[in-house]
Amino acid sequence: KNEVEQSPQNLTAQEGEFITINCSYSVGISALHWLQQHPGGGIVSLFMLSSGKKKHGRLIATINIQEKHSSLHITASHPRDSAVYICAVKGAGNQFYFGTGTSLTVIP
Amino acid sequence: SQTIHQWPATLVQPVGSPLSLECTVEGTSNPNLYWYRQAAGRGLQLLFYSVGIGQISSEVPQNLSASRPQDRQFILSSKKLLLSDSGFYLCAWSRGTPNEQYFGPGTRLTVT
Repeated sequence: KNEVEQSPQNLTAQEGEFITINCSYSVGISALHWLQQHPGGGIVSLFMLSSGKKKHGRLIATINIQEKHSSLHITASHPRDSAVYICAVKGAGNQFYFGTGTSLTVIP
Repeated sequence: SQTIHQWPATLVQPVGSPLSLECTVEGTSNPNLYWYRQAAGRGLQLLFYSVGIGQISSEVPQNLSASRPQDRQFILSSKKLLLSDSGFYLCAWSRGTPNEQYFGPGTRLTVT
């Protein structure tokens, strides 16, 4: 069983829809990251959070430490949001665990 | 501002040939440096990380090695490539707390 599980694996949405991607983890963590990987492979860090909620533009990330769960929300989705979204957690020391990613396609 | 460079961007190498991928960071000092691999259809896997010059920690035993000859330079190497070494290799850096990571553009390696 992976230390980090994401759902769904694939997601197709119409432009303008509200999108939620979920991440559950089984290890103790000091921080959780949401990453965005573009079709060309480049990775951008969207959020790093250890509690509560963060918002950046149309993106919102939440984490519940007790339930070991995080969600990434995208409001008013747009085709340029199409990418793979990866959840990663930082455990003890420099140990990182990664989910396998959620492939999002937003259709115009 | 900080930037991270990787080269080459793409590489096709025959089985049994050596490998050297380079990563450099600009605009910061004493960064933590990381090498990741993403095999086709799979998630990211941490291969090596370094907290300082000459200090390398390996996460997964394999055919690869890493070196940090300078503060902002991280090199991934292999003496003899295997088919299973094919993948997308990403370098990343972080510094201090809270340790947010910043990724390079990646190198796509195909071993034939």
